[in-house]
Amino acid sequence: GAVVSQHPSWVICKSGTSVKIECRSLDFQATTMFWYRQFPKQSLMLMATSNEGSKATYEQGVEKDKFLINHASLTLSTLTVTSAHPEDSSFYICSAREFRVGSKNIQYFGAGTRLSVL
Amino acid sequence: GQQLNQSPQSMFIQEGEDVSMNCTSSSIFNTWLWYKQDPGEGPVLLIALYKAGELTSNGRLTAQFGITRKDSFLNISASIPSDVGIYFCAGTDSWGKLQFGAGTQVVVTP
Repeated sequence: GAVVSQHPSWVICKSGTSVKIECRSLDFQATTMFWYRQFPKQSLMLMATSNEGSKATYEQGVEKDKFLINHASLTLSTLTVTSAHPEDSSFYICSAREFRVGSKNIQYFGAGTRLSVL
Repeated sequence: GQQLNQSPQSMFIQEGEDVSMNCTSSSIFNTWLWYKQDPGEGPVLLIALYKAGELTSNGRLTAQFGITRKDSFLNISASIPSDVGIYFCAGTDSWGKLQFGAGTQVVVTP
């Protein structure tokens, strides 16, 4: 149980194009999903918190118009990197927190998406 | 910025040896979690700790939630080659956010 699927696992795009990354909780409902960014040999940096049916909360320094987040259902959140540039190249990871009374408030992570912007 | 101090940064050990790493925080956490991340993958949960003083095992892994709620350690006994990876501690703060340590790179040599 507690499987989070992230797609695609790897994407290469041209500068100026937009890229959409999907995060799905496969066997549980997640009212809250999180998006992280990870640079090589560094820890995970929280970008935004996504709550189903409401606007995402972005961390300080993260451009909300650059990184569009949609959380349309209890099992799906998407991150769209708009007008991508080479400096947006990174490893993006989503996580989902189970919605259930008595749940342990644990975040389960997707496998990540490697974005390379040429 | 990060509130967690994770050490050591890296460890080079021989197969069969035990491994120990820890995290300390400047503030209290409600939950301590330990994750392992393999290259090109997302973190995988190893152990979750919910109460101060709690000691939990998962196979060869043992972790403890410090009494002060500001620290935690993870031990790996009798290491094997597949233990290679980066281990992250993480704590849930009072706002429900997960704060990550900088990670401990473990390398196991035969």
